[in-house]
Amino acid sequence: AQKVTQAQTEISVVEKEDVTLDCVYETRDTTYYLFWYKQPPSGELVFLIRRNSFDEQNEISGRYSWNFQKSTSSFNFTITASQVVDSAVYFCALMGRLAYNTDKLIFGTGTRLQVFP
Amino acid sequence: EPEVTQTPSHQVTQMGQEVILRCVPISNHLYFYWYRQILGQKVEFLVSFYNNEISEKSEIFDDQFSVERPDGSNFTLKIRSTKLEDSAMYFCASSETGDSNQPQHFGDGTRLSIL
Repeated sequence: AQKVTQAQTEISVVEKEDVTLDCVYETRDTTYYLFWYKQPPSGELVFLIRRNSFDEQNEISGRYSWNFQKSTSSFNFTITASQVVDSAVYFCALMGRLAYNTDKLIFGTGTRLQVFP
Repeated sequence: EPEVTQTPSHQVTQMGQEVILRCVPISNHLYFYWYRQILGQKVEFLVSFYNNEISEKSEIFDDQFSVERPDGSNFTLKIRSTKLEDSAMYFCASSETGDSNQPQHFGDGTRLSIL
């Protein structure tokens, strides 16, 4: 089965602190894709990043960075110098396509990030 | 930037009534999805749709649910006889292709409240 675990239910930080959101996944697929979505208080789901299982290179986009470690089945997300606008629920998601012949996203339970001024 | 649009943003319905949630996917996208998020919980897959037929559905998607693409632009989710436990946020998503070369783009959701 495919599974995504986000062990951190809620994280609170003060503005300008760095914060890392953990994501651990399980799949028996050899080709899979990992995603992060942001859900602000207004409720919509905003796509942040997609990473395929062959590309373990870390990625940086502004204050956001992602660390993909296949050896530990983790795809962690770091926000540098957090801001109040980063307050949201962040979901990690998995799509294992070949073994499961599916294109559905399997979401984790989300991590609620609160950034205080 | 093109986006997925969902209407209404909030729907309140009496238990047992039928409800139709509407979605307009991004125009050149071919794969369509519905997901559900019960308040405070994770987002769960309901159904995927391609080439005018369901390609996959979850165990949540039972006989009271149906999907349809009635014209070239709309993609609807119908719940035939709503139950209290159907109260949730329903997200429509679309992607250009059915593989992961293109991400699924989500609409803003419809909050369904069953009384």
